[in-house]
Amino acid sequence: GDSVTQMEGPVTLSEEAFLTINCTYTATGYPSLFWYVQYPGEGLQLLLKATKADDKGSNKGFEATYRKETTSFHLEKGSVQVSDSAVYFCALSDASRSSASKIIFGSGTRLSIRP
Amino acid sequence: DAGITQSPRHKVTETGTPVTLRCHQTENHRYMYWYRQDPGHGLRLIHYSYGVKDTDKGEVSDGYSVSRSKTEDFLLTLESATSSQTSVYFCAITPGALSGANVLTFGAGSRLTVL
Repeated sequence: GDSVTQMEGPVTLSEEAFLTINCTYTATGYPSLFWYVQYPGEGLQLLLKATKADDKGSNKGFEATYRKETTSFHLEKGSVQVSDSAVYFCALSDASRSSASKIIFGSGTRLSIRP
Repeated sequence: DAGITQSPRHKVTETGTPVTLRCHQTENHRYMYWYRQDPGHGLRLIHYSYGVKDTDKGEVSDGYSVSRSKTEDFLLTLESATSSQTSVYFCAITPGALSGANVLTFGAGSRLTVL
C-alpha cells in the first residue's frame, strides 16, 4: 500500500541555518504530495503542496520539489527562524484512485530552532 | 476558521466503556477523515468517508467504527475503549481532488484518555 517515510527527529538548528527534512514515498498511482505543519498546541495546517512530477511547492520561505525518479519530496528552507519551531508532516494523496483518496501521513519531524 | 468543530475536546473514560467523538463541518465538503496522533507514529488514518453512508477503513481501524448519516457530521465510535486508544484524535475535511489537490483542513483535536 501507499506509504510515507520521513527522517526521524528531533532536529535542532540555530537560527538562520539551512534546513532539509527528507521525505520519500511509495504509491501505486500518481500521488499529490504535501507538507503540513503543526505548531505547539494547534492542529495541522497546510504548508505547501505539489500535484505532479517536477512541480515545486513553496510557502513562507519553505520549498519542496516533487521528484518522481527518486520518489522524494524533501522540505527545505534557506534560513530558519525561531518561529519555525514545529512538527512537520509529509503526506500523500493518491488522486488516481477511482474511490475516494486515502490521505497518508509520515511520522512527523519535530524541529526546534535555537535563537 | 474553516468551519470544522470536534466534540468533546477532552474526555477521560474507563476501559470498556463506549465513546463517541463527533466531527461537524459547515463547509459542505464531501470527504471527511478521522486520524489519531501518537508520539513516534505521527498521524495514522482510522476511517474516512467519501459521502453520506459511504465509509472505508484506514491503517488502524480495528476497535473503531464510524457513521455518516448526513454530510456535515462524521462520528467515530470506540465500542469498548482500551488504554491503547488513549490518543489525540483529529478530524479533517476536504472537498476532494477536483477542487484542489485534496488539501485537508483539520479540526482542533479531541484528547481522549482511557484509564
